[in-house]
Amino acid sequence: QVQLVQSGAEVKKPGASVKVSCKASGYTFTDYAIHWVRQAPGQRLEWMGWINAGNGNTKYSQNFQDRVIFTRDTSASTAYMEMSSLRSADTAVYYCARSSFYFGDYYMDVWGKGTTVTVSS
Amino acid sequence: DIQMTQSPSTLSASVGDRVTITCRASLSISSWLAWYQQKPGKAPKLLIYKASILESGVPSRFSGSGSGTEFTLTISSLQPDDFATYYCQQYNSYSLTFGQGTKVEIK
Repeated sequence: QVQLVQSGAEVKKPGASVKVSCKASGYTFTDYAIHWVRQAPGQRLEWMGWINAGNGNTKYSQNFQDRVIFTRDTSASTAYMEMSSLRSADTAVYYCARSSFYFGDYYMDVWGKGTTVTVSS
Repeated sequence: DIQMTQSPSTLSASVGDRVTITCRASLSISSWLAWYQQKPGKAPKLLIYKASILESGVPSRFSGSGSGTEFTLTISSLQPDDFATYYCQQYNSYSLTFGQGTKVEIK
């Protein structure tokens, strides 16, 4: 079945970096985009940006564009989110989710289970 | 960025009630709106896209309507499995945004 499997929980110190993976299966990876969405404890969903898994083009939310890089490995059907200069406010669950990359179809129909990133000294 | 505002933030209702959640956009987004359901500790689940199209497998008691700047999600007869938080999300542009969420609680 179509699914996105994310890497395990991470604990990082302030100032460090983290890299979260999202492995796709059950569909053609390069036919879709992968979005990254985070949710701090008790807070709303926050869209971070997306990567076109076909051509690698990226779009970042202004809130994250200075600290986040999205990449993908088509041979492994895996997308990656790397965030640098972590601070305590980055403690959250990070989700990857799939959408079409055609205008009008950017809704997210398949989600990973989430990766908890804890930033603590 | 387009701002999305949901109301109410919390809603108390009983099983069998008709429930309506509103989502307003700061700019017109045509019909490029999705609704998601999220339960504690779980990933969001797509319910509706393009404002009114029901995702496959979603019960027909869920419906969506609206266009432009005002949208609604309606649950025609609330079931025990429906107690959750609901989010709207606009995708009118390359920058997507979510509403702040509406928590549906047991009355």
